[in-house]
Amino acid sequence: DSGVTQTPKHLITATGQRVTLRCSPRSGDLSVYWYQQSLDQGLQFLIQYYNGEERAKGNILERFSAQQFPDLHSELNLSSLELGDSALYFCASSVVGTEGDTQYFGPGTRLTVL
Amino acid sequence: AQTVTQSQPEMSVQEAETVTLSCTYDTSESDYYLFWYKQPPSRQMILVIRQEAYKQQNATENRFSVNFQKAAKSFSLKISDSQLGDAAMYFCAYEPSGTYKYIFGTGTRLKVLA
Repeated sequence: DSGVTQTPKHLITATGQRVTLRCSPRSGDLSVYWYQQSLDQGLQFLIQYYNGEERAKGNILERFSAQQFPDLHSELNLSSLELGDSALYFCASSVVGTEGDTQYFGPGTRLTVL
Repeated sequence: AQTVTQSQPEMSVQEAETVTLSCTYDTSESDYYLFWYKQPPSRQMILVIRQEAYKQQNATENRFSVNFQKAAKSFSLKISDSQLGDAAMYFCAYEPSGTYKYIFGTGTRLKVLA
């Protein structure tokens, strides 16, 4: 158990819908990262937050947005969902979010878009 | 573009034997970090080992060790005395200096045969 929690574990929804994925970092970690893992693929970096501020952005679609709240939990919002958005979404956290800071991953949220 | 290549989609090893998983990466940087993560069937991403590029000494963690060849841009993972619980997908990840994000390879599926 990494100490990073993600809810829900599974989410099934329809195309065109909007969902919110939630992540709570390890106690004391200030930085949160979001990754997407499509079927049998490596993880793709989406976005990073540090202490409430966006720090780095990857290949995140405009339909996706995220934020980190004052209590440091983070939410990833996915809207106008398409079949291709079906994937495992991971949240990771690290202490200060600087280079070399080890990222600890949550168990992931499996999103299925029908 | 910075990329990570894992050329072995699948490997098999007999229990108690040793196996080496390959990883190469493309970078022009001199300072960066490298990681191996394990993803068992539960899909949880578990950190196996971490290597700083400025350190010449190869990292080790119990039965896991790396062979880091900076000039060759190679970062292989050696698993000694393989156990059934080592069966998983193994991902190599590279963190470019100053980017705060990991770039993952496509993974190697390791099967451990009893």
